[in-house]
Order: sequence, then structure tokens, then C-alpha cells
Amino acid sequence: NAGVMQNPRHLVRRRGQEARLRCSPMKGHSHVYWYRQLPEEGLKFMVYLQKENIIDESGMPKERFSAEFPKEGPSILRIQQVVRGDSAAYFCASSPNGQLEAFFGQGTRLTVV
Amino acid sequence: GESVGLHLPTLSVQEGDNSIINCAYSNSASDYFIWYKQESGKGPQFIIDIRSNMDKRQGQRVTVLLNKTVKHLSLQIAATQPGDSAVYFCAENPGTSSASKIIFGSGTRLSIRP
Repeated sequence: NAGVMQNPRHLVRRRGQEARLRCSPMKGHSHVYWYRQLPEEGLKFMVYLQKENIIDESGMPKERFSAEFPKEGPSILRIQQVVRGDSAAYFCASSPNGQLEAFFGQGTRLTVV
Repeated sequence: GESVGLHLPTLSVQEGDNSIINCAYSNSASDYFIWYKQESGKGPQFIIDIRSNMDKRQGQRVTVLLNKTVKHLSLQIAATQPGDSAVYFCAENPGTSSASKIIFGSGTRLSIRP
């Protein structure tokens, strides 16, 4: 049973471009969380999704950021018109039912140049 | 509560000694708590969890203690080894009857002295 898979592991974008981060949850997990982490800091919650539904997006910036978890395929975190301040590690986690421990992927490190 | 741009505190421990990492949580309604270990360049890794109806739970070389009165968690690592070097985060799940987000506390960097 493969763990949570995130790709790409590293992503470089120029200011103004779009970044798409993908997360495939563990098999059988229908709950996905996205977190953002700056160097030497903790994990800041962004969004919590179930299949085809956004459950809690209270940590997501209102502009430029969006997330989806379609019925088929991975969850996508999309950042439009990236700025230097978007540079961070973005982690995805999945859980079987939202009430147990979440398992994390290895993250995508986004660098905006 | 969630870490908000604070530099990580560091705990330095002699190899072979026991380590105790502390965490304060914010939501008195939280009923499920998790400790994660994060090594450099990797994602957080589940270590141990505890529900609010318990005050102690033991794993392999690790023990988690929960004090609901003062909203405090601790992680004890016995006979600390070099491989234990990492950042440790506590996390809480405020949900009881419904699914909810997992909130991370501020982490602690554990370094091991040879």
C-alpha cells in the first residue's frame, strides 16, 4: 500500500506563473488536508477536502489559491499568479475518515523566482 | 494553537538519556491528539496518538502524557538515539462527532549530543 504521493517534489515558477501541486492519498482514504510550511516554522493548515467537497478552507488565502479533490484522480492545489511569498513547502495528508491520524506525503517545495 | 511564525525552540539531549518534549494545546474541546516527527526535507511522520479519555499511552520507546486540566501534552522518548534528531510537533483534532482539520502546535527541534 503506497503512502501519500505528492508531485512534483520540487517546483520552480517565475512570478506570475501558475503552480499546480498534486496529491494522491493513500488507498482507501477519502479525506485530504493541505498544509504549508515555511523554513523553521510549523505546519499551517490551508484546506480540508473530501471527495468532490471542500469541508474547511479557512486557512486558504481568498485570492489566487484554490483546491479540489475530484471523484477520480488526485487532489490539486492550484496557485495562480505566484509571488515570491508563495515559496514554501506544501504538504498533503490523507486520512480514512477525518477522525484518525493523517498520513503525510513528502511535500512539494515551491520556489518562486 | 497554530504556530505563527515562531522560530523553533531546541532541546539538546545527551545520547542515551530520556527526552521530554512539551506542548500546550488551545481547544478544550479537542479529543484526539497526535505527535509527529519531521526529519529534514521530509514530511511529518506519525509517532503516537492519544484520545482524551486517556492520560497516558505507551509505544515503542515513546510515551505520551495528556493533562486535560492544564491542556498540556508531553512526549517522552526513552534512551534517545541519534536517529531521534528531528523536529517534533504535537497536533490536535478538535472534532468529536464530525471530521475536522488537524491543527499543529509549534514544534520543538530535538538535537542529540554524542
